[in-house]
Amino acid sequence: DQQVKQNSPSLSVQEGRISILNCDYTNSMFDYFLWYKKYPAEGPTFLISISSIKDKNEDGRFTVFLNKSAKHLSLHIVPSQPGDSAVYFCAASSYAGGTSYGKLTFGQGTILTVHP
Amino acid sequence: ETGVTQSPTHLIKTRGQQVTLRCSSQSGHNTVSWYQQALGQGPQFIFQYYREEENGRGNFPPRFSGLQFPNYSSELNVNALELDDSALYLCASSLPRGTSKDLYSYEQYFGPGTRLTVT
Repeated sequence: DQQVKQNSPSLSVQEGRISILNCDYTNSMFDYFLWYKKYPAEGPTFLISISSIKDKNEDGRFTVFLNKSAKHLSLHIVPSQPGDSAVYFCAASSYAGGTSYGKLTFGQGTILTVHP
Repeated sequence: ETGVTQSPTHLIKTRGQQVTLRCSSQSGHNTVSWYQQALGQGPQFIFQYYREEENGRGNFPPRFSGLQFPNYSSELNVNALELDDSALYLCASSLPRGTSKDLYSYEQYFGPGTRLTVT
């Protein structure tokens, strides 16, 4: 049961344009969402996050949008740079109490390629 | 500030053997989570340790076990290795917010991973 899905395995964008990465989730208990970036031979690097009480969070070139009714979030990168080329994972978390603290549920990832 | 480190970088084992992977948390972080990332997939949660106790477990069999030490470093042990255990094993550290009744590790900071190959 894939609770977090990234339906686009890859995305190719021209330098300077906008990159939009999408993520859908099915578990309505998720209340915090994160985006990670991963380069080859490195661990995932935290990028930006959003709480379910918000619908937008911005950090420099990166903006995450959350649509709770659609159970959908997206990451916008503007302007895109060649150094942004990496695998991007969305992840979700929920406070379940008991022994389920802090578990991150990841999507399959989207490979972003930004062409000069 | 020291980031999360993992050792070894790569490891090759034979089916049926046992393996121990190690992780040092980011300075000041008292919670460690372990994830398994198969090729082409996102990381999957194995378990989490908080103050030396298991604090949540994913859908992995008991032959996956762990430890956390007083300095918050951690080990992942896998017994009776199977071919499907071949994957990248990631360790992540975090610092829960709030009181003991509101432990909720949001952002987790990952190490570079250990690539395990089982033949």
